[in-house]
Amino acid sequence: DAGVIQSPRHEVTEMGQEVTLRCKPISGHDYLFWYRQTMMRGLELLIYFNNNVPIDDSGMPEDRFSAKMPNASFSTLKIQPSEPRDSAVYFCASSPFEQYGYTFGSGTRLTVV
Amino acid sequence: QQQVKQSPQSLIVQKGGIPIINCAYENTAFDYFPWYQQFPGKGPALLIAIRPDVSEKKEGRFTISFNKSAKQFSLHIMDSQPGDSATYFCAAGSNYQLIWGAGTKLIIKP
Repeated sequence: DAGVIQSPRHEVTEMGQEVTLRCKPISGHDYLFWYRQTMMRGLELLIYFNNNVPIDDSGMPEDRFSAKMPNASFSTLKIQPSEPRDSAVYFCASSPFEQYGYTFGSGTRLTVV
Repeated sequence: QQQVKQSPQSLIVQKGGIPIINCAYENTAFDYFPWYQQFPGKGPALLIAIRPDVSEKKEGRFTISFNKSAKQFSLHIMDSQPGDSATYFCAAGSNYQLIWGAGTKLIIKP
């Protein structure tokens, strides 16, 4: 298994632009999580899905952030419009049913200038 | 009640020493306590985890000690190696959600 695959690895964009981050979870994992990591705030859960359905999006910072999971093998996190304070590493993680063992992807380092 | 407090922030240990990282939680509903290891440029990786019905769990050189009454748990790394240098995160969870500690940057000196 290739693990959780995220793309792109790095993204540099200008303030105001739309940014889309992509994630392919491990096949058979029922849970998908989007996290943001910064030095100041550590790891923050943004949203998680169970069987493609968003369960808790209370961590999404603003309406500028949206996430979708159109099928079991793909999810996106979109920021529109992006702002410099969105600069962070964004991780996707997946987990099988009834287990907590998250597997994280390698992350997308987003820089908004 | 949702916080997980992790200490120390950073730790330097000589090779062969036993670094100890501590975490404290508040919510007694938490039923899963994992430790994750993160290397630069990588995502966190599950290292070892414990449930509250046991007081200790060992996997290789890594040991979790769990004190339910004190609501504390700790990670011990036996015979530490320079390759163990990484950031370590504790977490506590229930219902498939985890609350994370702030992380400990561990350096093992050769």
